[in-house]
Amino acid sequence: SQKIEQNSEALNIQEGKTATLTCNYTNYSPAYLQWYRQDPGRGPVFLLLIRENEKEKRKERLKVTFDTTLKQSLFHITASQPADSATYLCAQKSSGDKLTFGTGTRLAVRP
Amino acid sequence: NAGVTQTPKFRVLKTGQSMTLLCAQDMNHEYMYWYRQDPGMGLRLIHYSVGEGTTAKGEVPDGYNVSRLKKQNFLLGLESAAPSQTSVYFCASLTAGRGPYEQYFGPGTRLTVT
Repeated sequence: SQKIEQNSEALNIQEGKTATLTCNYTNYSPAYLQWYRQDPGRGPVFLLLIRENEKEKRKERLKVTFDTTLKQSLFHITASQPADSATYLCAQKSSGDKLTFGTGTRLAVRP
Repeated sequence: NAGVTQTPKFRVLKTGQSMTLLCAQDMNHEYMYWYRQDPGMGLRLIHYSVGEGTTAKGEVPDGYNVSRLKKQNFLLGLESAAPSQTSVYFCASLTAGRGPYEQYFGPGTRLTVT
């Protein structure tokens, strides 16, 4: 079955630096990958979607890449701020209209 | 728009008790999902529905039942709660068609089974 892995459980960076989070998938390339943000005690909130025929997608300080050769998506937050501290979830489209989620990476941005 | 709401927010059950979690959405979405989230396990799909009157099993359906009698509501039932069902439960909805494909999540229900 398709698996999706987020390698880092936690990432600590200094304010102003770029945070880079990794998402790897196995087997076939999904039609698209999504990234969500989850704050403690809250439900995930959608951030970005990237399709398999897109190499890169940007939204304000966020950038997502999709490398079908490496079977990997990278999620970047540039000029990070303490308010960016949260858990970030990667999700891939599985059969039908279902998503398979990774376990998430907890990002902490130090002032 | 309230988006996706879940009732209750917290609940403590004793082993063997039953309960129903309610999810409601006001976005006229066709698809609805129930997930559970456990530390180190990520979000796992329990059951889902692609329309009123339809339901299907997800990755971890055992011990749960669902119903979608109205388009805006998706109920998750635990007939005989077990400690292994202690978790945070999230409901999500999605509009059908060619996109967008973002799922909208509720705030979650924290369930403890003792």
